[in-house]
Amino acid sequence: AQSVAQPEDQVNVAEGNPLTVKCTYSVSGNPYLFWYVQYPNRGLQFLLKYITGDNLVKGSYGFEAEFNKSQTSFHLKKPSALVSDSALYFCAVRDAGSGNTGKLIFGQGTTLQVKP
Amino acid sequence: SAVISQKPSRDICQRGTSLTIQCQVDSQVTMMFWYRQQPGQSLTLIATANQGSEATYESGFVIDKFPISRPNLTFSTLTVSNMSPEDSSIYLCSVSSLETQYFGPGTRLLVL
Repeated sequence: AQSVAQPEDQVNVAEGNPLTVKCTYSVSGNPYLFWYVQYPNRGLQFLLKYITGDNLVKGSYGFEAEFNKSQTSFHLKKPSALVSDSALYFCAVRDAGSGNTGKLIFGQGTTLQVKP
Repeated sequence: SAVISQKPSRDICQRGTSLTIQCQVDSQVTMMFWYRQQPGQSLTLIATANQGSEATYESGFVIDKFPISRPNLTFSTLTVSNMSPEDSSIYLCSVSSLETQYFGPGTRLLVL
C-alpha cells in the first residue's frame, strides 16, 4: 500500500535561514512525488514534482526538493525563508505504474512558520 | 497548468439538506477528481469522474451520499446529500495534466 509520512506537524524557522520540510514515502513501484502548498482560505498550489531524471528538482517560489531513493525521502528545501512562505505544506505520492488514473496519497501536512 | 474554478466558494447549510458543488476547467480533461479535506486534516480522494461513465468511488464513499455528474470534458458537479455536521469540510476539485494534479480553490462547507 502507498503511504506518505510528514513527521513534523510544524516547522519554525527565522526569516533568512534555510528551511527543510521532511517527507518519506512508500510505494510498490517507482514513485511520482509532489509538493503542494496551502495558504489560509486558499486551495492547493502545486510547487514541484519528481517524475524521473535529476534527483534535485526545482519548483516555484525558490523551493527545491531532493529525491533520495535509498532513504525513500523527498524533503522540501529553500535556502532562505521568507515570512510569506508561512503556510501548510503537503507531500503527495502516486505509483508511477498507475498513470494518470492513480490517486494521490497525501501526507498529513506540515505547518511552516517563518518568524521575522 | 489548468485553471480550475469552483462554485460556491463557501456555504453554510442546514442538517438534512443537500448542496451541489460545481467545478469548471479551462481545458478539456479526461479525468476529474473530487477530494475532501476535513478540518485540520489532509486530503482524501472521494471519487474519480470520467466523462460518459459512472464515477469511481474510493472506499468509505458511496454514490448515494456523494452523487457526481460529468456531462462534458470541462465540467463536473459533486453533491453532498442529506448533510450532517460531519460533512463540514473543504471539497476540492482536481484535474490531471502532464502527470501533475492541479486543484481548484475549494468549497468550504459548514453544516449546522
